[in-house]
Amino acid sequence: QQQVKQSPQSLIVQKGGISIINCAYENTAFDYFPWYQQFPGKGPALLIAIRPDVSEKKEGRFTISFNKSAKQFSLHIMDSQPGDSATYFCAASIGGSARQLTFGSGTQLTVLP
Amino acid sequence: KAGVTQTPRYLIKTRGQQVTLSCSPISGHRSVSWYQQTPGQGLQFLFEYFSETQRNKGNFPGRFSGRQFSNSRSEMNVSTLELGDSALYLCASSSLSGGTEAFFGQGTRLTVV
Repeated sequence: QQQVKQSPQSLIVQKGGISIINCAYENTAFDYFPWYQQFPGKGPALLIAIRPDVSEKKEGRFTISFNKSAKQFSLHIMDSQPGDSATYFCAASIGGSARQLTFGSGTQLTVLP
Repeated sequence: KAGVTQTPRYLIKTRGQQVTLSCSPISGHRSVSWYQQTPGQGLQFLFEYFSETQRNKGNFPGRFSGRQFSNSRSEMNVSTLELGDSALYLCASSSLSGGTEAFFGQGTRLTVV
């Protein structure tokens, strides 16, 4: 059972544009929602994370928007750069921690120069 | 500070064999989690160890096992390898069981032929 659904599967944006990736979850016990960035040949690296007591969190060009009632959260990448080209994964876990993460299926982002 | 180290980086095994993968967490981190990454199933949680004890286990057959040593280094073992076990195996460490950030290694690419 896929508990975290991620879309789109792939995304192409122009340099300077906004990249938006969406995730929806089913398990209401989830209380920690991180986003990971993965480059080819590397392990995932934490980008930004949010807990359900806030609706938005911003770190630099990266923003998470969280809608608890809709059980959805999204990643916005402002002023997208070619160096942002990577695979992005949303994830969720229980207990407010990074243990036993349930990942979305991933989004392959390509930022054109 | 050294990151998470996984060895070997690449491995080719024959169906029916067994394999042992190693993970050295970040110094001071006591929680180690293992994940399997495949194109079809994405990133899936295998198990988590904290202070030499398995704390959580994902939905994988008993052929997949692990252990953690007193220095927090962890190994995972897969017995009676199947073609479908070909994957990137990722290890992540956290400072405490329930740490809010998981740091991933670069993974071990296992190919079963």
